[in-house]
Amino acid sequence: QSALTQPASVSGSPGQSITISCTGSGSDVGGFNSVSWYQHHPGKAPKLMIYYVDQRPSGVSDRFSGSKSGNTASLTISGLQAEDEALYYCTSYTSRTTYVFGTGTEVTVL
Amino acid sequence: EVQLVESGGGVVRPGGSLRLSCTASGFTFDDHGMSWVRQGPGKGLEWVSYITWNSGSTAYADSVKGRFTISRDNAENSLHLQMKGLRVEDTALYYCARVNWELDAFDLWGQGTMVSVSS
Repeated sequence: QSALTQPASVSGSPGQSITISCTGSGSDVGGFNSVSWYQHHPGKAPKLMIYYVDQRPSGVSDRFSGSKSGNTASLTISGLQAEDEALYYCTSYTSRTTYVFGTGTEVTVL
Repeated sequence: EVQLVESGGGVVRPGGSLRLSCTASGFTFDDHGMSWVRQGPGKGLEWVSYITWNSGSTAYADSVKGRFTISRDNAENSLHLQMKGLRVEDTALYYCARVNWELDAFDLWGQGTMVSVSS
């Protein structure tokens, strides 16, 4: 199972919006709505930010939003803040009853 | 406090074995499926294995199938990963993660335990 494809890095200035893509296939992202996104600060436990494509867990800022079109899911961070600097990973359930993570995207706030 | 605590990591020779454990507290352990996820040095997150709440079903990544075995003891609130035939490429920080079936996502993570495979 190959990792889902994400851009290696995305950057933006404070207050701007950025979007991270996550591209898979019909056997994972395109075939299921079980797409979630995680924020990972090195040395800390990953944190769930989005589940079921576009749902936010309680306590997650509404500046984070998710969407999906075909085989590509996206995470948008609006009103970018310094604390948003981290690695972000998507993941999807697959037709082989497994999970697959994305390659990860480093978000930099300029 | 709701938490997951991993243990059992260490340094092992290629071909060796190691058993990781994850102890859960603060929530009803047998209400949830559980997974192991790892992160190699300089690499991204990689899903490793999953087990249902009652051990009725398990799944593995191709990279570990046939070498790793996931198990759980609901009476002890613990999750395990038996690793055999370890390879250099298995070197990673291993996280246990709770699978929330209502969200179909990993909603609680431990801090990880480090496994180093080296000759």
